[in-house]
Amino acid sequence: ETGVTQSPTHLIKTRGQQVTLRCSSQSGHNTVSWYQQALGQGPQFIFQYYREEENGRGNFPPRFSGLQFPNYSSELNVNALELDDSALYLCASGRLGNTEAFFGQGTRLTVV
Amino acid sequence: AQTVTQSQPEMSVQEAETVTLSCTYDTSESDYYLFWYKQPPSRQMILVIRQEAYKQQNATENRFSVNFQKAAKSFSLKISDSQLGDAAMYFCAYRSLLGTGTASKLTFGTGTRLQVTL
Repeated sequence: ETGVTQSPTHLIKTRGQQVTLRCSSQSGHNTVSWYQQALGQGPQFIFQYYREEENGRGNFPPRFSGLQFPNYSSELNVNALELDDSALYLCASGRLGNTEAFFGQGTRLTVV
Repeated sequence: AQTVTQSQPEMSVQEAETVTLSCTYDTSESDYYLFWYKQPPSRQMILVIRQEAYKQQNATENRFSVNFQKAAKSFSLKISDSQLGDAAMYFCAYRSLLGTGTASKLTFGTGTRLQVTL
């Protein structure tokens, strides 16, 4: 158990819709990162939040956005869903400067 | 940009035997971290072992050990006395130490699926 929980566990959306995925981090973790893991691939870094501000981003378009809240929870929002957005989305929390990232169990998003 | 390559999509090992999973990476940085993560069917990434690049000594964690060859940019994972519970996807990952923000970014390989047979 990592103490990081994600909701929902599974989700089905229609192309063009918007989706919000949620992550609850461990108390005291001031960073949260989101990753997209397509089937048969390794996770790809989407972005990281630190103290409620985005402070690092991977090669993902602006329709991928996030929020981090003071209560150690965070959200990943994806607008104008495309079929290729179907993937497992993982959040990982930690403390800036520490090496270990603690992962949640992921949300499986299917876009039809 | 850093890249991580795992050239073995699948590996199989008999229970109680030893298996080695391969990983190579590419970077121009001199200081960084390398990790092996395990992803069981529950999907949650679990840290298996970590290696700091400035340390020459290979990291060990119980039955898990690494062979870190910095000049060759190679980072293999050895699992000794394999158990049925070791069956999972294993991902090699790289993390830069430069700056903040994306410095926490993990760059993953494509993974190796390990099967453990009786």
